[in-house]
Amino acid sequence: DAKTTQPNSMESNEEEPVHLPCNHSTISGTDYIHWYRQLPSQGPEYVIHGLTSNVNNRMASLAIAEDRKSSTLILHRATLRDAAVYYCILRPLSSGAGSYQLTFGKGTKLSVIP
Amino acid sequence: DSGVTQTPKHLITATGQRVTLRCSPRSGDLSVYWYQQSLDQGLQFLIQYYNGEERAKGNILERFSAQQFPDLHSELNLSSLELGDSALYFCASSEDSWNTEAFFGQGTRLTVV
Repeated sequence: DAKTTQPNSMESNEEEPVHLPCNHSTISGTDYIHWYRQLPSQGPEYVIHGLTSNVNNRMASLAIAEDRKSSTLILHRATLRDAAVYYCILRPLSSGAGSYQLTFGKGTKLSVIP
Repeated sequence: DSGVTQTPKHLITATGQRVTLRCSPRSGDLSVYWYQQSLDQGLQFLIQYYNGEERAKGNILERFSAQQFPDLHSELNLSSLELGDSALYFCASSEDSWNTEAFFGQGTRLTVV
C-alpha cells in the first residue's frame, strides 16, 4: 500500500486557518486521498476526499498538488472542537478483493490554542 | 451521530475469558469493518464483512473471530483474552464503494485484568 507522511503534531490559534500537510510520493494514479479525524474519546470521522482537483465541503478544503505527491487539508477557521488527530489515507479506486478498508498511519495531532 | 451503534461501550473482563462485541451498521450499508486501537499500535484493521461474507482480513489474531448476520449486524468474538488485548474496538460501515466515506461507531473499550 502507498504510504503517507504527516507531521506528528501541529498547533494553531483559535479562529486562525490551519494547513495540515501530507506527503504521499508513491501515490498511484488510481489512489484517492482521504482525510479522517479522530476527536478525543470518539471514533474516526470522515472529513474530505479527492483525486486530482481541489475539493471543498462544509468542514474543510483539500488542496492537491499537481503531481499528486502531496496534499494539504485546510481548516479555514480552527475552533476548539477541531482539536483532534488528523489522518491522511490513500484509498485505491479498485481492489481485487473488493475491499476498501482504510489503512491508518499515526496522523497529526492538532492542538488549538484559545 | 454516525448511525453506527456499538455495544457495550465498556467491558471489563479477566484474562482467559471470552467476550462478544456487537455492531449495528448504518441503515443500508452492507459492509462492516472492525478495527482495534491500542496506545502503541494505533488503529489497526482487523476484518471486513460484506453482506454476510468475509471479504478481507487484516491483523486479526486466531483467537479472534467475527461474523455478519442476515440483518447485517456484526459481532466480534474475542477469546482466551490476554492483558494485551485491552484496547478500543471500533466498527465502521460503508456502502463499500471506493468513493464513499466510512462511518465509525463510538467504540467498545475493552479492559482485560
